[in-house]
Amino acid sequence: DAKTTQPPSMDCAEGRAANLPCNHSTISGNEYVYWYRQIHSQGPQYIIHGLKNNETNEMASLIITEDRKSSTLILPHATLRDTAVYYCIGAANDYKLSFGAGTTVTVRA
Amino acid sequence: GAVVSQHPSRVICKSGTSVKIECRSLDFQATTMFWYRQFPKQSLMLMATSNEGSKATYEQGVEKDKFLINHASLTLSTLTVTSAHPEDSSFYICSAEGNGYTFGSGTRLTVV
Repeated sequence: DAKTTQPPSMDCAEGRAANLPCNHSTISGNEYVYWYRQIHSQGPQYIIHGLKNNETNEMASLIITEDRKSSTLILPHATLRDTAVYYCIGAANDYKLSFGAGTTVTVRA
Repeated sequence: GAVVSQHPSRVICKSGTSVKIECRSLDFQATTMFWYRQFPKQSLMLMATSNEGSKATYEQGVEKDKFLINHASLTLSTLTVTSAHPEDSSFYICSAEGNGYTFGSGTRLTVV
């Protein structure tokens, strides 16, 4: 798996966009960028994943730089329920996911 | 969407006994399932990869004789913690590979 680096924590205001960065400078060409989040004492929840192109779904947008060395997860309108630990993972398709320390995101009213 | 059911959600057992945790993919078939362990304020650590019909592959440092994994069908994998001790107390989470990776809700094991 590619090594990823995320800030340990960040705060954001309710209703505002939350931009979560992730560095993955050693990612291989066949490795996807996955984002999961874990709300306290629950299993991780899938958010989004991408290979090269930017992706958007009902939860978030994923912006991947052209050189694929970093990416940003965007939660367009953060709510209090988005408070969680967010994990950025680089992994090939059909391969195991290895979790780093993640970013603890706290959404404040 | 894909759903993984994990049972029990919480269990307390006495030291020296064994505990079985079940992980079921409810609406898809999963040839591969993964078992993780998470200690308080730490990230998830992969323990083993469970393959239907074959032996599990354990990560370095995980005792295969202590953490028995059985993946007898395409929808069920079980993790048995044998001769549990207080240091085995942790949050155990399974994941199934089907349409992407879907995680169970986790099992909180407390060994007293």
